[in-house]
Amino acid sequence: KQEVTQIPAALSVPEGENLVLNCSFTDSAIYNLQWFRQDPGKGLTSLLLIQSSQREQTSGRLNASLDKSSGRSTLYIAASQPGDSATYLCAVKADSWGKLQFGAGTQVVVTP
Amino acid sequence: ETGVTQTPRHLVMGMTNKKSLKCEQHLGHNAMYWYKQSAKKPLELMFVYSLEERVENNSVPSRFSPECPNSSHLFLHLHTLQPEDSALYLCASSNDGGPYEQYFGPGTRLTVT
Repeated sequence: KQEVTQIPAALSVPEGENLVLNCSFTDSAIYNLQWFRQDPGKGLTSLLLIQSSQREQTSGRLNASLDKSSGRSTLYIAASQPGDSATYLCAVKADSWGKLQFGAGTQVVVTP
Repeated sequence: ETGVTQTPRHLVMGMTNKKSLKCEQHLGHNAMYWYKQSAKKPLELMFVYSLEERVENNSVPSRFSPECPNSSHLFLHLHTLQPEDSALYLCASSNDGGPYEQYFGPGTRLTVT
């Protein structure tokens, strides 16, 4: 059974520092991995999708890498801002029906 | 309206009530999902519909009953719920033929009293 782990559970950084968020999964047979952002009490916003054949994806200040063989993905957020404060979730698609297996998330606080 | 919308945004119901949650996607997708998010727990997939056919029922109690009348609309009918069913219920959609990126609605915050 696929298990997804995100460490740390919470992270606080001063504004301007780079953020590094980790996601690990136990079964390397995945279709893709998706990173989401969730603000308190709100839905999820998709940030990046990495297909299983890709090593990384970039969007603005965000960069996500994928190493299937070691079961890891890392989300980098450059030059963090207070508006980046949120919970970040990773999820892997492990079957053909679109089922996503989620990690518990990393809660990020960026202090001014 | 754009993206994925959900109504109502907040719902308080007693254990003997019957209510329904509604989800609508405006993205031309052909797959829709219901997720449950409880405090301090990872998101749990409840149901998956692909081309209006239910393809996954993740051991969800029968007091939750999904309905997908067409590829743009998804409902979750609720009856005789328990207090532990209080949670944020999220709807999502994607394109089953790829690229499989899931888009989420804002959720319905459900409180069962």
